[in-house]
Amino acid sequence: DVKVTQSSRYLVKRTGEKVFLECVQDMDHENMFWYRQDPGLGLRLIYFSYDVKMKEKGDIPEGYSVSREKKERFSLILESASTNQTSMYLCASISRIYGYTFGSGTRLTVV
Amino acid sequence: QKEVEQNSGPLSVPEGAIASLNCTYSDRGSQSFFWYRQYSGKSPELIMFIYSNGDKEDGRFTAQLNKASQYVSLLIRDSQPSDSATYLCAVTPSGGSQGNLIFGKGTKLSVKP
Repeated sequence: DVKVTQSSRYLVKRTGEKVFLECVQDMDHENMFWYRQDPGLGLRLIYFSYDVKMKEKGDIPEGYSVSREKKERFSLILESASTNQTSMYLCASISRIYGYTFGSGTRLTVV
Repeated sequence: QKEVEQNSGPLSVPEGAIASLNCTYSDRGSQSFFWYRQYSGKSPELIMFIYSNGDKEDGRFTAQLNKASQYVSLLIRDSQPSDSATYLCAVTPSGGSQGNLIFGKGTKLSVKP
Protein backbone atom coordinates (compact mmCIF):
# COMPACT_ATOMS: atom_id res chain seq x y z
CA ASP A 1 0.00 0.00 0.00
CA VAL A 2 1.10 3.54 -0.75
CA LYS A 3 1.96 5.46 2.33
CA VAL A 4 1.84 9.24 2.45
CA THR A 5 3.17 10.69 5.68
CA GLN A 6 2.62 14.21 6.91
CA SER A 7 4.98 15.21 9.65
CA SER A 8 2.50 16.88 12.00
CA ARG A 9 -1.15 16.21 12.83
CA TYR A 10 -1.67 19.47 14.70
CA LEU A 11 0.25 22.73 14.58
CA VAL A 12 -0.31 26.07 16.26
CA LYS A 13 1.66 29.00 14.86
CA ARG A 14 1.69 32.73 15.37
CA THR A 15 0.77 35.30 12.75
CA GLY A 16 3.81 36.21 10.67
CA GLU A 17 5.72 33.01 11.32
CA LYS A 18 7.17 31.00 8.47
CA VAL A 19 5.60 27.55 8.51
CA PHE A 20 6.82 24.34 6.89
CA LEU A 21 4.51 21.40 6.26
CA GLU A 22 6.29 18.24 5.21
CA CYS A 23 4.97 15.34 3.17
CA VAL A 24 6.74 12.12 2.22
CA GLN A 25 5.50 9.26 0.01
CA ASP A 26 7.08 5.86 -0.34
CA MET A 27 5.89 4.63 -3.74
CA ASP A 28 8.08 6.56 -6.14
CA HIS A 29 5.10 8.53 -7.44
CA GLU A 30 5.95 11.45 -9.63
CA ASN A 31 2.90 13.61 -8.94
CA MET A 32 2.24 15.10 -5.55
CA PHE A 33 -0.32 17.64 -4.40
CA TRP A 34 -1.14 20.01 -1.57
CA TYR A 35 -4.75 20.85 -0.76
CA ARG A 36 -6.47 22.74 1.97
CA GLN A 37 -9.92 21.79 3.17
CA ASP A 38 -12.36 24.15 4.82
CA PRO A 39 -15.99 23.61 5.83
CA GLY A 40 -18.34 24.43 2.99
CA LEU A 41 -15.50 25.03 0.53
CA GLY A 42 -14.32 21.48 -0.03
CA LEU A 43 -10.85 20.60 -1.18
CA ARG A 44 -8.92 23.38 -2.86
CA LEU A 45 -5.69 22.75 -4.72
CA ILE A 46 -2.79 24.94 -3.60
CA TYR A 47 0.17 23.57 -5.54
CA PHE A 48 1.21 20.40 -7.25
CA SER A 49 4.44 18.93 -8.55
CA TYR A 50 5.01 16.40 -11.30
CA ASP A 51 8.75 16.01 -10.90
CA VAL A 52 11.68 16.98 -8.76
CA LYS A 53 12.19 20.75 -8.72
CA MET A 54 9.01 21.20 -10.79
CA LYS A 55 5.93 22.92 -9.41
CA GLU A 56 2.65 24.23 -10.71
CA LYS A 57 0.18 26.61 -9.11
CA GLY A 58 -3.20 25.28 -8.24
CA ASP A 59 -6.34 27.28 -7.60
CA ILE A 60 -5.25 29.16 -4.47
CA PRO A 61 -1.44 29.55 -4.43
CA GLU A 62 -1.34 33.04 -2.89
CA GLY A 63 0.56 33.11 0.37
CA TYR A 64 2.11 29.69 -0.21
CA SER A 65 5.17 28.25 -1.86
CA VAL A 66 6.45 24.69 -2.27
CA SER A 67 9.69 22.80 -2.49
CA ARG A 68 10.45 19.45 -4.10
CA GLU A 69 14.13 18.68 -3.83
CA LYS A 70 13.65 14.89 -3.75
CA LYS A 71 11.04 12.79 -5.48
CA GLU A 72 9.58 11.42 -2.26
CA ARG A 73 9.27 14.72 -0.41
CA PHE A 74 6.98 17.68 -1.14
CA SER A 75 6.95 20.59 1.27
CA LEU A 76 4.42 23.37 1.62
CA ILE A 77 5.66 26.70 2.95
CA LEU A 78 3.59 29.48 4.40
CA GLU A 79 5.89 32.46 3.99
CA SER A 80 4.16 34.61 6.61
CA ALA A 81 1.29 32.81 8.29
CA SER A 82 -2.00 34.62 8.61
CA THR A 83 -5.19 33.72 10.47
CA ASN A 84 -7.02 33.04 7.20
CA GLN A 85 -4.60 30.19 6.60
CA THR A 86 -6.03 28.28 9.55
CA SER A 87 -7.20 25.09 7.90
CA MET A 88 -6.74 21.37 7.38
CA TYR A 89 -3.88 20.75 4.96
CA LEU A 90 -3.80 17.53 2.99
CA CYS A 91 -0.95 16.13 0.94
CA ALA A 92 -1.54 13.47 -1.70
CA SER A 93 0.34 11.47 -4.26
CA ILE A 94 -1.30 9.78 -7.23
CA SER A 95 -1.37 6.45 -8.96
CA ARG A 96 -2.87 6.40 -12.46
CA ILE A 97 -5.02 3.45 -11.53
CA TYR A 98 -6.00 4.20 -7.97
CA GLY A 99 -6.15 7.95 -7.91
CA TYR A 100 -5.02 9.84 -4.87
CA THR A 101 -3.65 8.54 -1.63
CA PHE A 102 -3.88 11.20 1.03
CA GLY A 103 -1.72 11.77 4.05
CA SER A 104 -3.38 11.95 7.43
CA GLY A 105 -3.61 15.73 7.26
CA THR A 106 -2.23 18.62 9.30
CA ARG A 107 -4.64 20.81 11.16
CA LEU A 108 -2.97 24.20 11.31
CA THR A 109 -4.16 26.96 13.60
CA VAL A 110 -2.68 30.43 13.18
CA VAL A 111 -3.21 32.71 16.17
CA GLN B 1 -14.78 26.01 -15.27
CA LYS B 2 -14.83 22.26 -14.79
CA GLU B 3 -17.11 21.36 -11.93
CA VAL B 4 -18.26 18.41 -9.90
CA GLU B 5 -21.58 18.80 -8.11
CA GLN B 6 -22.87 16.86 -5.15
CA ASN B 7 -25.80 17.38 -2.84
CA SER B 8 -24.25 18.46 0.46
CA GLY B 9 -26.84 16.60 2.52
CA PRO B 10 -27.03 15.52 5.19
CA LEU B 11 -28.52 12.35 3.76
CA SER B 12 -30.06 10.34 6.54
CA VAL B 13 -30.92 6.65 6.12
CA PRO B 14 -31.88 3.95 8.62
CA GLU B 15 -29.50 1.11 9.34
CA GLY B 16 -29.87 -1.68 6.79
CA ALA B 17 -31.24 0.58 4.05
CA ILE B 18 -29.64 1.49 0.73
CA ALA B 19 -27.89 4.84 0.64
CA SER B 20 -27.70 6.49 -2.76
CA LEU B 21 -25.13 9.22 -3.34
CA ASN B 22 -25.11 11.19 -6.56
CA CYS B 23 -22.60 13.26 -8.47
CA THR B 24 -22.72 15.18 -11.74
CA TYR B 25 -19.77 16.60 -13.61
CA SER B 26 -19.43 19.24 -16.30
CA ASP B 27 -16.38 18.01 -18.24
CA ARG B 28 -17.61 15.64 -20.93
CA GLY B 29 -14.04 14.48 -21.55
CA SER B 30 -13.54 13.10 -18.02
CA GLN B 31 -12.45 9.47 -18.09
CA SER B 32 -11.86 8.34 -14.51
CA PHE B 33 -14.16 8.63 -11.53
CA PHE B 34 -13.46 8.10 -7.87
CA TRP B 35 -15.40 7.93 -4.63
CA TYR B 36 -13.67 8.81 -1.37
CA ARG B 37 -14.98 8.44 2.15
CA GLN B 38 -13.93 10.95 4.79
CA TYR B 39 -14.67 10.53 8.46
CA SER B 40 -14.83 13.67 10.57
CA GLY B 41 -11.32 14.96 11.31
CA LYS B 42 -9.69 12.37 9.08
CA SER B 43 -8.30 12.44 5.55
CA PRO B 44 -10.20 11.03 2.56
CA GLU B 45 -9.73 7.37 1.69
CA LEU B 46 -10.48 5.78 -1.66
CA ILE B 47 -13.39 3.33 -1.67
CA MET B 48 -14.25 2.92 -5.35
CA PHE B 49 -13.08 3.90 -8.81
CA ILE B 50 -14.82 3.38 -12.14
CA TYR B 51 -13.79 4.04 -15.72
CA SER B 52 -16.46 2.43 -17.88
CA ASN B 53 -20.16 3.00 -18.26
CA GLY B 54 -22.28 0.71 -16.16
CA ASP B 55 -22.00 -0.71 -12.69
CA LYS B 56 -19.02 -1.80 -10.64
CA GLU B 57 -19.57 -3.70 -7.43
CA ASP B 58 -17.24 -4.16 -4.46
CA GLY B 59 -18.83 -5.74 -1.43
CA ARG B 60 -21.64 -3.50 -0.20
CA PHE B 61 -20.62 -0.70 -2.55
CA THR B 62 -21.72 -0.21 -6.15
CA ALA B 63 -20.50 2.61 -8.35
CA GLN B 64 -22.62 3.52 -11.37
CA LEU B 65 -21.39 5.59 -14.29
CA ASN B 66 -23.36 7.14 -17.13
CA LYS B 67 -21.06 9.23 -19.29
CA ALA B 68 -23.82 10.33 -21.65
CA SER B 69 -25.65 11.91 -18.72
CA GLN B 70 -22.40 12.94 -17.01
CA TYR B 71 -23.54 11.24 -13.86
CA VAL B 72 -21.86 8.95 -11.37
CA SER B 73 -23.41 7.47 -8.26
CA LEU B 74 -22.47 5.36 -5.27
CA LEU B 75 -24.87 2.90 -3.71
CA ILE B 76 -24.23 1.52 -0.25
CA ARG B 77 -26.30 -1.56 0.53
CA ASP B 78 -27.13 -2.67 4.07
CA SER B 79 -25.95 0.69 5.43
CA GLN B 80 -24.23 0.59 8.80
CA PRO B 81 -23.68 3.37 11.35
CA SER B 82 -19.96 3.03 10.55
CA ASP B 83 -20.77 4.26 7.02
CA SER B 84 -21.65 7.66 8.47
CA ALA B 85 -19.13 9.99 6.84
CA THR B 86 -18.76 12.53 4.07
CA TYR B 87 -18.45 11.02 0.60
CA LEU B 88 -16.42 12.90 -2.00
CA CYS B 89 -16.81 12.38 -5.72
CA ALA B 90 -13.74 13.13 -7.87
CA VAL B 91 -13.10 13.07 -11.61
CA THR B 92 -10.09 13.44 -13.84
CA PRO B 93 -10.43 16.46 -16.12
CA SER B 94 -9.91 16.18 -19.86
CA GLY B 95 -6.48 17.27 -20.85
CA GLY B 96 -5.21 15.02 -18.06
CA SER B 97 -3.10 17.77 -16.56
CA GLN B 98 -0.57 15.88 -14.45
CA GLY B 99 -3.18 13.70 -12.82
CA ASN B 100 -5.15 16.38 -11.02
CA LEU B 101 -8.54 15.39 -9.75
CA ILE B 102 -11.51 17.71 -9.48
CA PHE B 103 -13.45 17.11 -6.28
CA GLY B 104 -17.03 17.77 -5.36
CA LYS B 105 -17.69 19.30 -1.96
CA GLY B 106 -19.04 16.05 -0.62
CA THR B 107 -22.28 14.58 0.66
CA LYS B 108 -22.63 13.94 4.36
CA LEU B 109 -24.25 10.59 5.08
CA SER B 110 -25.79 9.72 8.42
CA VAL B 111 -26.88 6.14 9.10
CA LYS B 112 -29.25 5.92 12.06
CA PRO B 113 -29.27 2.76 14.21
